Amino acid sequence: GESVGLHLPTLSVQEGDNSIINCAYSNSASDYFIWYKQESGKGPQFIIDIRSNMDKRQGQRVTVLLNKTVKHLSLQIAATQPGDSAVYFCAENSGGSNYKLTFGKGTLLTVNP
Amino acid sequence: DSGVTQTPKHLITATGQRVTLRCSPRSGDLSVYWYQQSLDQGLQFLIQYYNGEERAKGNILERFSAQQFPDLHSELNLSSLELGDSALYFCASSVGRDSNQPQHFGDGTRLSIL
Repeated sequence: GESVGLHLPTLSVQEGDNSIINCAYSNSASDYFIWYKQESGKGPQFIIDIRSNMDKRQGQRVTVLLNKTVKHLSLQIAATQPGDSAVYFCAENSGGSNYKLTFGKGTLLTVNP
Repeated sequence: DSGVTQTPKHLITATGQRVTLRCSPRSGDLSVYWYQQSLDQGLQFLIQYYNGEERAKGNILERFSAQQFPDLHSELNLSSLELGDSALYFCASSVGRDSNQPQHFGDGTRLSIL
């Protein structure tokens, strides 16, 4: 079956450091992946997405890496800021007739000033 | 601001009651998705509507139902409420009908069952 999980439930970094949040997925048929950031009291906010025909995609201070060989997804945040503190979710779309995103449990990122 | 509006922000009611949650999608988005978020289950997909028609169903209970109106806003109806229905309910919207595109979330409705 399909599942999306996270290696680390919590991550604490110093302001200015780079952060890496990891995600494992089990469905090799997944063709689309997306990262969300959720702050307390808010809904998930879209950060960046990547399709399975790509290995890397960059945004503003964020990079998503996709390793299909080991079914692993990561989100890299450069020069982490206190405003980056939040829960980060990865999600996958398994494609085919599966018309839904499956979300991981989330990783809590804490940025220390 | 995602452009997705959910009302009410908070709802407190008792077991056995029925409530309606409302969602207005981003301008131009035709798909609306409903999710339940609880501490132990994470973010769970309930149902999707595309341009007024049901598109996909997830782990939605029979006590729950939804619809999307001609103006594209959507309502999620929860009936015979149980203590375990206490959760955050999110609505998301996207342009197209497939889930291989970004979904934009509202700030949710916090439902508390007493």
